[in-house]
Amino acid sequence: DIQMTQSPSTLSASVGDRVTITCRASQSISSWLAWYQQKPGKAPKLLIYKASSLQSGVPSRFSGSGSGTEFTLTISSLQAEDCATYYCQVYNTLYTFGQGTKLEIK
Amino acid sequence: EVQLVESGGDLVQPGGSLRLSCTASGFTFSTYWMSWVRQAPGKGLQWVANIKQDGSEMYYVDSVKGRFTISRDNAKNSLYLQMNGLRAEDTAVYYCAGAWRAWYYFDSWGQGTLVTVSS
Repeated sequence: DIQMTQSPSTLSASVGDRVTITCRASQSISSWLAWYQQKPGKAPKLLIYKASSLQSGVPSRFSGSGSGTEFTLTISSLQAEDCATYYCQVYNTLYTFGQGTKLEIK
Repeated sequence: EVQLVESGGDLVQPGGSLRLSCTASGFTFSTYWMSWVRQAPGKGLQWVANIKQDGSEMYYVDSVKGRFTISRDNAKNSLYLQMNGLRAEDTAVYYCAGAWRAWYYFDSWGQGTLVTVSS
């Protein structure tokens, strides 16, 4: 099975900061990677699919990049409402999620 | 508006059974692969099972094989998860989620229903 490892596990940043979260796959997954945002008590929300495609309605400050085994989710200018846990997910095979990155606002 | 609404979560004793339901609206349910994804308290997301549009194919994570059964009724726009032989480690919020293609990303999610397995 493919393992997905996110770093860091927690992240604290200030409003306006540029934030980057990394996701590494245990083997090449081409660009079959999605990113989700989950706020406390809520369902996950799709942000990015196919590593870099922005889901409709998602603010343009969110972007994704990478292919193969290393991927990044970037928030260009952090907003207070971006406080959440972010998960990467490999798809197009058995589904596996990363363990999550909790993003806190300083 | 796409909407998925889960129900059926409850407190159940170890070894017990429970049936979860998910009712869809706002999209063509019969064209979507549907999944159940769970999240144990304070933990991450785990895919549990999925089912093809016509119900002819189902897949499960190893830890629930032989205990859980996923099914759907397209006439009722509904997805189900029959859970037997429940264990403490099955305690989680269970989400239904949809993908427009086999093994694709989930572009729709329900709000979740809590299953607690405890004596």
